[in-house]
Amino acid sequence: DQQVKQNSPSLSVQEGRISILNCDYTNSMFDYFLWYKKYPAEGPTFLISISSIKDKNEDGRFTVFLNKSAKHLSLHIVPSQPGDSAVYFCAAWQGGSEKLVFGKGTKLTVNP
Amino acid sequence: EAGVAQSPRYKIIEKRQSVAFWCNPISGHATLYWYQQILGQGPKLLIQFQNNGVVDDSQLPKDRFSAERLKGVDSTLKIQPAKLEDSAVYLCASSFHLAGVLLSEQFFGPGTRLTVL
Repeated sequence: DQQVKQNSPSLSVQEGRISILNCDYTNSMFDYFLWYKKYPAEGPTFLISISSIKDKNEDGRFTVFLNKSAKHLSLHIVPSQPGDSAVYFCAAWQGGSEKLVFGKGTKLTVNP
Repeated sequence: EAGVAQSPRYKIIEKRQSVAFWCNPISGHATLYWYQQILGQGPKLLIQFQNNGVVDDSQLPKDRFSAERLKGVDSTLKIQPAKLEDSAVYLCASSFHLAGVLLSEQFFGPGTRLTVL
């Protein structure tokens, strides 16, 4: 039973354009949603998060949008840069369980 | 600030052999996590420690996997005996829980890539 789903294994965009990575979830009890970025041969690094009581959180070029009624969130990267090329994991956290549940990841390639 | 250290970085063993992984978390981080990431999947939590006590090991295959964090700092994860399906990257992460903070950032190590032949 996959509680966090990233249905696009890969995404390719041109440098300077917008990258939109999507994530769906099934558990309405999640309290926080997080995005992690992973380069090859490195561990994931935290990128941005959003509380379940918010609908938007912005940090520089990165914005996460949350649509609770649709159980959907998305990460927008504007403008995209070649250094953004990595695998992006969506993760969800529920207080009480204290553990992160990850999606399968989306590999983003930003072409110069 | 030094990050989470893991060793070895790569390990190749044959099925039914034993293997152990080591993790040194960021200094002062009370919580330590072991994740398994199978190719094409996201990380899956195996076990979570708070200091040297186990908080969650519900997804740890206890018939073959064991983990310990004896002094509340370093941790080891062992597989005995290994199966083909244990081939994965094993990630260690740590976090520093602040009083009154609901969610603390997890910092990941580079992982150990295990191949079971």
